Formats: sequence, C-alpha cells, structure tokens
Amino acid sequence: AQSVTQPDIHITVSEGASLELRCNYSYGATPYLFWYVQSPGQGLQLLLKYFSGDTLVQGIKGFEAEFKRSQSSFNLRKPSVHWSDAAEYFCAVGELTGGGNKLTFGTGTQLKVEL
Amino acid sequence: DSGVTQTPKHLITATGQRVTLRCSPRSGDLSVYWYQQSLDQGLQFLIQYYNGEERAKGNILERFSAQQFPDLHSELNLSSLELGDSALYFCASSPPGAFGPSTDTQYFGPGTRLTVL
Repeated sequence: AQSVTQPDIHITVSEGASLELRCNYSYGATPYLFWYVQSPGQGLQLLLKYFSGDTLVQGIKGFEAEFKRSQSSFNLRKPSVHWSDAAEYFCAVGELTGGGNKLTFGTGTQLKVEL
Repeated sequence: DSGVTQTPKHLITATGQRVTLRCSPRSGDLSVYWYQQSLDQGLQFLIQYYNGEERAKGNILERFSAQQFPDLHSELNLSSLELGDSALYFCASSPPGAFGPSTDTQYFGPGTRLTVL
C-alpha cells in the first residue's frame, strides 16, 4: 500500500520569508502527486499536481513543487509567504485501484505566518 | 468555489441515529468520492462511485453506505452513529478518463461537519 509522509506537523514562518513543506511518498510505480490547501472551515483546494514530464510544477498562489524520484519527495515551495497563506497543507498521492482510484493523504502541515 | 456542493453544512445528531449526507458533483464529472477527516485518523478515503457504479472502497465501516444516482449526485448514509463518527465528511468529484475513472484532479466540496452527541 502506498503512503505519504509529511514530517512537519507545524511550521511557523515570517511574512515575506521563503517556505518549503516536505512530502515523501511510498509508491511502486510513477506516482500521481498533489498538494492541497485547507483554510479553516473550508474544503480542500488544489494547489498543484504532478503527473509526468517536467519535474518542477507551478501552481496557484505562487506555489511550486519539485518531484524528485531518487528521494521519493514532492516538496512544496514558495519564495515569499503572505499572511493569507496560513492554512493546513496536504500532500496526496493518487492510486488506481482495480476499476477505480483514490487519493492517499499525508497527515498535513499546519502553516502559521508571523507578521 | 470548486463546483462541488454538499448539504447540509452542519449536522448534529445523537448516538444510534442515522443521517444522510448529499453531494452534487461538478458538471460533467462522473466520479464521486467520499472522504472522512477526523483528528485521530486524518483524511481517509471511504468510497468511490463512477457513473452509478461502486468502483473503489477504502476504510468504510459496514454501518456506512453510499450510492450514486442517475443524475450523478451521491448520498452517504451513516447509521447506528457513534461518538467516534464525528468528523468532517468531504465529497469530491473528478472528470472521466478516456476509458473510465482516472487519476485526474479531484475537486472537493466544502464538507459536512457531523457532530454525534
């Protein structure tokens, strides 16, 4: 079974500082990888996804992520964090299962932004 | 706004009761997924329907069931509710692949917060 690890439960950064959220996955084949963001009381919003091709993917709100097969990682980055980025971030891997598919999520990283 | 709608937004009920959560997918999406988010279990996949048929099953309790109707909306039925069923229940939908369900992006609704007292 595949799994996703987000080693940082909480991260605090100052507004304007750079950000990197870590994600490691365990999956035998080429993974389908996603980052979602959840603001308080909200649903999950897709930030970006990786299916194949260029290993550096750009997403919404100035986020990017880099797929590194050798490290089984898909870390999320942002060069300059805004106070509105405070939220919980989830990394997920997509899996085909028989006739269907599902997402397996990491435990999430709560981002706090200090003004 | 993802285009996925869920009702109700909040639900408070008592142990032993039964509730139904409703989801309408984005226009054109054939897959509907249900996920449970709780403090102790995190985000867990429950079940997937594709064009009315069950296609994938996760850690869904026997007390829970779901279905997808001809108009593609879906309902998640939770029965004999326990305190531990209190959670946020998300519905998601995704567009069809060339040959059926695909690993394309899943678009999430705002969720239904269930509180069992």
